[in-house]
Amino acid sequence: GAVVSQHPSRVICKSGTSVKIECRSLDFQATTMFWYRQFPKQSLMLMATSNEGSKATYEQGVEKDKFLINHASLTLSTLTVTSAHPEDSSFYICSARSSGQIYEQYFGPGTRLTVT
Amino acid sequence: QKEVEQNSGPLSVPEGAIASLNCTYSDRGSQSFFWYRQYSGKSPELIMFIYSNGDKEDGRFTAQLNKASQYVSLLIRDSQPSDSATYLCAVGGSQGNLIFGKGTKLSVKP
Repeated sequence: GAVVSQHPSRVICKSGTSVKIECRSLDFQATTMFWYRQFPKQSLMLMATSNEGSKATYEQGVEKDKFLINHASLTLSTLTVTSAHPEDSSFYICSARSSGQIYEQYFGPGTRLTVT
Repeated sequence: QKEVEQNSGPLSVPEGAIASLNCTYSDRGSQSFFWYRQYSGKSPELIMFIYSNGDKEDGRFTAQLNKASQYVSLLIRDSQPSDSATYLCAVGGSQGNLIFGKGTKLSVKP
């Protein structure tokens, strides 16, 4: 149980285009989803927290107009990287948490984004 | 700003030895602590969590927490080559998120 999927697993896009990444909880309802970003040899850095039906809360330094997060249902959250630039190339990982859990969260397999 | 510090390594141990991974954190009020394992190109997978001072054992893994010293460690007994990975220490944040250290790369030599 507690499986989180992400799609796509890898994506290459051209600079200036937008990319959408989906995060799905397959066997539980995720009231909260987290989006992390990991650059090579760096730690996971939280980008934003989204609660179903609410606007996402972004961490300091993360542009909310560039990284659009939608958490419209209890099983799906999407991250759209708008007007992508090469410096946005990174490993994007979502995690999901069900109601009643404080810290236990389940990670998706991640999406490798390369912007050329 | 909460911080989690880890020695980046690499830590190299022979097969069958005990690997000891350490982590310190800055927020004295932190209540929950996690160890994740991350293979290259993959997302983290939870090994253990610990909330109370002392030791917590799960198979070959033992987590140790000392809140007074703001220190948490992970011991891996009978290390195997398949344990070679980066080990991430994480502390629970105020929104239920996790604050990660940069990770310690462990290499277990056959």
